Amino acid sequence: DAGITQSPRHKVTETGTPVTLRCHQTENHRYMYWYRQDPGHGLRLIHYSYGVKDTDKGEVSDGYSVSRSKTEDFLLTLESATSSQTSVYFCAISESGGTYNEQFFGPGTRLTVL
Amino acid sequence: GQQVMQIPQYQHVQEGEDFTTYCNSSTTLSNIQWYKQRPGGHPVFLIQLVKSGEVKKQKRLTFQFGEAKKNSSLHITATQTTDVGTYFCAGGGGATNKLIFGTGTLLAVQP
Repeated sequence: DAGITQSPRHKVTETGTPVTLRCHQTENHRYMYWYRQDPGHGLRLIHYSYGVKDTDKGEVSDGYSVSRSKTEDFLLTLESATSSQTSVYFCAISESGGTYNEQFFGPGTRLTVL
Repeated sequence: GQQVMQIPQYQHVQEGEDFTTYCNSSTTLSNIQWYKQRPGGHPVFLIQLVKSGEVKKQKRLTFQFGEAKKNSSLHITATQTTDVGTYFCAGGGGATNKLIFGTGTLLAVQP
């Protein structure tokens, strides 16, 4: 498996609280992605990064922000968590962008918002 | 926007039976990738198809890209319990130049 870790692996929080999920990679890949996985929806892209301090929105970015201050770390923040953000969150990396590159996924973070 | 749908959402088979999942896009794709996610695990890349009508095989798995590059299929011959999991297709070629993942097919195999 590619060197990707996510923390925490599980989190339960209450509505209205801020939450930050961390993705850490040791592969020195330029591109990093955050997805959420929900039954019936597959994997949906939240935000992605194409370099340090370079980020862009995906298809379901509302309510989420991201930051990338180092090549190896990509943070996903829920400023004020809502129950609709209960999901499994996956980080992924790829050597370059576009759609022809294989993506490597982290182990996932299961987030429950009560 | 671009949508990628998969059918069926769920299939239960007896070990030894064949299995097929279909992936359909609302727009023409530049390429398609397939991933497998074991229960409780993360998606893992299986293969990529790029050419119209392309067929690739990996042991008991056969992947096909449609002639119009709007659909794809994954066929597993003689399923085994190790095939259990969710299979996702992911299509490229939309305006965002990002992979769009399908809704996934969950395969259950009864020994």
